[in-house]
Amino acid sequence: EAQVTQNPRYLITVTGKKLTVTCSQNMNHEYMSWYRQDPGLGLRQIYYSMNVEVTDKGDVPEGYKVSRKEKRNFPLILESPSPNQTSLYFCASSRGTGLGGGEQFFGPGTRLTVL
Amino acid sequence: GNSVTQMEGPVTLSEEAFLTINCTYTATGYPSLFWYVQYPGEGLQLLLKATKADDKGSNKGFEATYRKETTSFHLEKGSVQVSDSAVYFCALRHGYSTLTFGKGTMLLVSP
Repeated sequence: EAQVTQNPRYLITVTGKKLTVTCSQNMNHEYMSWYRQDPGLGLRQIYYSMNVEVTDKGDVPEGYKVSRKEKRNFPLILESPSPNQTSLYFCASSRGTGLGGGEQFFGPGTRLTVL
Repeated sequence: GNSVTQMEGPVTLSEEAFLTINCTYTATGYPSLFWYVQYPGEGLQLLLKATKADDKGSNKGFEATYRKETTSFHLEKGSVQVSDSAVYFCALRHGYSTLTFGKGTMLLVSP
């Protein structure tokens, strides 16, 4: 089954404790992206990657890091989480085919609470 | 820059009522337009899309027409069901693959 998986689904942590949210897709997609969803703000892009070893900042990259060492994986790293990073996080992937390109497939989400 | 504006919710309807959720956009050139749906506790799923002016996207009884003259992509359904209760996001893609989302509109359908 074609899918995007994220782990963990739920996480409660404390300020300053480094954490990683994993994202994996089994569709051989070139493009992957991280979003955060906050009430009244919709989805905002954090980082994206057009292919292995190619990453770029989205609209709200501060406080986050990503890496793309393998095509299927795109982990999101919070080196020193703060309460304002409490949010619902989504990973997505798509074929990178330029204008009019492929549908983005979303993972189920990770609900993060930073105390 | 690119932006998407959706009507604020929640939109509350009775079953079998007609649905319209307004969406307008700002973008240079010719973006592709999308509607995504998010059911409670789930991720986003693509509902429909249109890639050029006057295209009509449709799926599961939902429709939206890409109107370049009014920069709009309003979502419509003739008869909603309780199972349509969800949050609906309008989005545009301009360039490679990055999506710009609206803030989402919650739809609540009562029996």
